[in-house]
Amino acid sequence: DQQVKQNSPSLSVQEGRISILNCDYTNSMFDYFLWYKKYPAEGPTFLISISSIKDKNEDGRFTVFLNKSAKHLSLHIVPSQPGDSAVYFCAASGSSNYKLTFGKGTLLTVNP
Amino acid sequence: GAGVSQSPSNKVTEKGKDVELRCDPISGHTALYWYRQSLGQGLEFLIYFQGNSAPDKSGLPSDRFSAERTGGSVSTLTIQRTQQEDSAVYLCASSLAAGAEAFFGQGTRLTVV
Repeated sequence: DQQVKQNSPSLSVQEGRISILNCDYTNSMFDYFLWYKKYPAEGPTFLISISSIKDKNEDGRFTVFLNKSAKHLSLHIVPSQPGDSAVYFCAASGSSNYKLTFGKGTLLTVNP
Repeated sequence: GAGVSQSPSNKVTEKGKDVELRCDPISGHTALYWYRQSLGQGLEFLIYFQGNSAPDKSGLPSDRFSAERTGGSVSTLTIQRTQQEDSAVYLCASSLAAGAEAFFGQGTRLTVV
């Protein structure tokens, strides 16, 4: 029973273009969403988050959009850089239960 | 150290042996999580500690798995009678408070042979 789904296992984009990573969730109790980036042989690193009271949060090249009615969020990276190549995990939690539930990840490859 | 520290970084053990994995969270962080990532899979929740509250053990896959957090700081994940399917990267994370961003260690790669 996957409560957080990342349906694209991989994504390839050209340097300088936009990368769009998608995530869907099923649990309506989730009210806080996070994106993590993971390089091989390292632990995930926090990237950006969004609370359910917002529909957009921006931090430099990274923007997260939340569509609560569709239970969908996306991470936009623009412009994409080769150093952005990594596995990106979407995660969610709820104020009644703070454990983070992760998706399976999307491998992003940014080609020079 | 400034970050979450896990030891050992790699562990190879024989099937049936017990192993202990250690996590030193960021100082002052009240919440501590254990996850594991099997090959080709996402991050599977194992257990969550928050302050002095009873831990959320709902993710532990069997009674061979247990975890402790002593003094609200260091945590140890113990796997008894290891099986080959226990092979994975075990990740520990801590956060300043419940619901805040979690910071991960580099993980312990466990291989059961």
